Amino acid sequence: EAGVTQFPSHSVIEKGQTVTLRCDPISGHDNLYWYRRVMGKEIKFLLHFVKESKQDESGMPNNRFLAERTGGTYSTLKVQPAELEDSGVYFCASSQSGGPYEQYFGPGTRLTVT
Amino acid sequence: QQQVKQSPQSLIVQKGGISIINCAYENTAFDYFPWYQQFPGKGPALLIAIRPDVSEKKEGRFTISFNKSAKQFSLHIMDSQPGDSATYFCAARTYSGGSNYKLTFGKGTLLTVNP
Repeated sequence: EAGVTQFPSHSVIEKGQTVTLRCDPISGHDNLYWYRRVMGKEIKFLLHFVKESKQDESGMPNNRFLAERTGGTYSTLKVQPAELEDSGVYFCASSQSGGPYEQYFGPGTRLTVT
Repeated sequence: QQQVKQSPQSLIVQKGGISIINCAYENTAFDYFPWYQQFPGKGPALLIAIRPDVSEKKEGRFTISFNKSAKQFSLHIMDSQPGDSATYFCAARTYSGGSNYKLTFGKGTLLTVNP
């Protein structure tokens, strides 16, 4: 069974540009989470989807971040326009529905804003 | 405001030694305390976890000790091996309704086990 995949693995963009990160959860997992780790800091929760619905987006830093999960399958996280402080590693995780099941993490996308 | 405080930031241990990583929390609503292991280029992977009604959990060389009254928990790696070299994150989970189980992480500990 394939794990959580993320694309790209690394992205370098200039301040003011737009970047879109993609996450493909484990097949059948209704729950999808986005987290971010800024260098040297903790991994922070950004938001949570159940299928295509946003359950909790309390961790989204500001309105420059837009997450979508069309059709309840893969998810995208767009940053527009990117700022220097957006640099970090963005992780996606997925879990089964129906209970507190383990969250499986993807390898992350390292975003560098210059 | 950091809800889960983890120490040390980095740790160097000799092969065969004991690695100890500590975490402390404030929020009494946390109901589950997992530890994650992350190798370079990979995502965090669940290593071992404990519920607050248990004081200790052991899985192989890995043990979690949990002190509810002190709001502290720690990971002990016995007979540490070079293959254990990784970043370790403690975490705590809250439940906020529906299927929303949110994880709050510590800053991570970079463990290096020298051969």
